[in-house]
Amino acid sequence: EDQVTQSPEALRLQEGESSSLNCSYTVSGLRGLFWYRQDPGKGPEFLFTLYSAGEEKEKERLKATLTKKESFLHITAPKPEDSATYLCAVQATRSGTALIFGKGTTLSVSS
Amino acid sequence: NAGVTQTPKFQVLKTGQSMTLQCAQDMNHNSMYWYRQDPGMGLRLIYYSASEGTTDKGEVPNGYNVSRLNKREFSLRLESAAPSQTSVYFCASSAGGFHNSPLHFGNGTRLTVT
Repeated sequence: EDQVTQSPEALRLQEGESSSLNCSYTVSGLRGLFWYRQDPGKGPEFLFTLYSAGEEKEKERLKATLTKKESFLHITAPKPEDSATYLCAVQATRSGTALIFGKGTTLSVSS
Repeated sequence: NAGVTQTPKFQVLKTGQSMTLQCAQDMNHNSMYWYRQDPGMGLRLIYYSASEGTTDKGEVPNGYNVSRLNKREFSLRLESAAPSQTSVYFCASSAGGFHNSPLHFGNGTRLTVT
């Protein structure tokens, strides 16, 4: 069964304290891995797509990396406005067109 | 440019009542989707429409019907609401015919069924 697991469920950081969020996946064949950001009361907002192991994408303080079993979302020197829930999703060969979403990591950054 | 617009934002129904959730996108996207999001669970796909005139079941289609009215609009109907359908419903669209294109989400409809 295709699965996506995100850890930790919640993460509290001080402003400027760098850390990483993990997304581990078990799928029949990875077609793509996606990161989204979701603010309270809003819909998810697209951040990155990764397609193959070794690929990296960056946007401001965020950097996403991909291996054959997991993806990391690295947050460098976070600011309070980075507080949100970060969702990981994969498209697997067996799932057809459906994305399989993880439950998310809720990040809180305090000043 | 509004992106993806969902109406209503909030709704309370009694068991057995019916309602239609509306979704419209102004990005000229081909594909549209309906997801539900429940506490402690990931987003789950209910139905999707890869292009105008086509619809397909997702992971959790039971109890729902959809209509792709035109390229812009994709509605979700609950014929006889049940408490298990209490959830936040998100509509999304993408340029591509499959999930290789990023999804653009609306801000959701919060539905409570009593």
